[in-house]
Amino acid sequence: NAGVMQNPRHLVRRRGQEARLRCSPMKGHSHVYWYRQLPEEGLKFMVYLQKENIIDESGMPKERFSAEFPKEGPSILRIQQVVRGDSAAYFCASSPGPNSGANVLTFGAGSRLTVL
Amino acid sequence: GNSVTQMEGPVTLSEEAFLTINCTYTATGYPSLFWYVQYPGEGLQLLLKATKADDKGSNKGFEATYRKETTSFHLEKGSVQVSDSAVYFCALTGQAGTALIFGKGTTLSVSS
Repeated sequence: NAGVMQNPRHLVRRRGQEARLRCSPMKGHSHVYWYRQLPEEGLKFMVYLQKENIIDESGMPKERFSAEFPKEGPSILRIQQVVRGDSAAYFCASSPGPNSGANVLTFGAGSRLTVL
Repeated sequence: GNSVTQMEGPVTLSEEAFLTINCTYTATGYPSLFWYVQYPGEGLQLLLKATKADDKGSNKGFEATYRKETTSFHLEKGSVQVSDSAVYFCALTGQAGTALIFGKGTTLSVSS
């Protein structure tokens, strides 16, 4: 029973390139959350998705960032035209959904993006 | 809006010392409260949780009690080990279906 799978674990991009981070939720989980962790800071919520729906994107920068969770396949966090300030660890978490009780999130190991 | 405030780190202790990491929150309604732990190079793991006032969450010798009157959820352990060295995050979630809000994390370093 695999947990939350994120890939790639490490990604290096040059300024102006695109970064795509993928997240496969735990089996049976239909809700996905993306968080960003900057050095010496906590985790900042970015976006919350259900299959084919964005539930809450209040933490997502308005430009260059987008997220999707298609009916089939993993959730994708896409960062266009990356800048050095995008360098961070990006964590994905999944949950069964709000009707399962306390909203316990299971986290992946993270994708570490470095922008040169 | 909802928020979580944790004590600043790093916290440096000797093995078998008593640990307290303070956490207070601001929230509307009745949030659920969590402690997550992050070991070096890894993702976050749920350590313990409490879903209503006066609940005590416990796991691996760690405890935290949901205190609504003081809006606190302090993490305690009676005797820490070197293997407890990690970053500890306090978090809350409000109504069902909302995302977890995290504190900034507290780094714990335990030496033998």
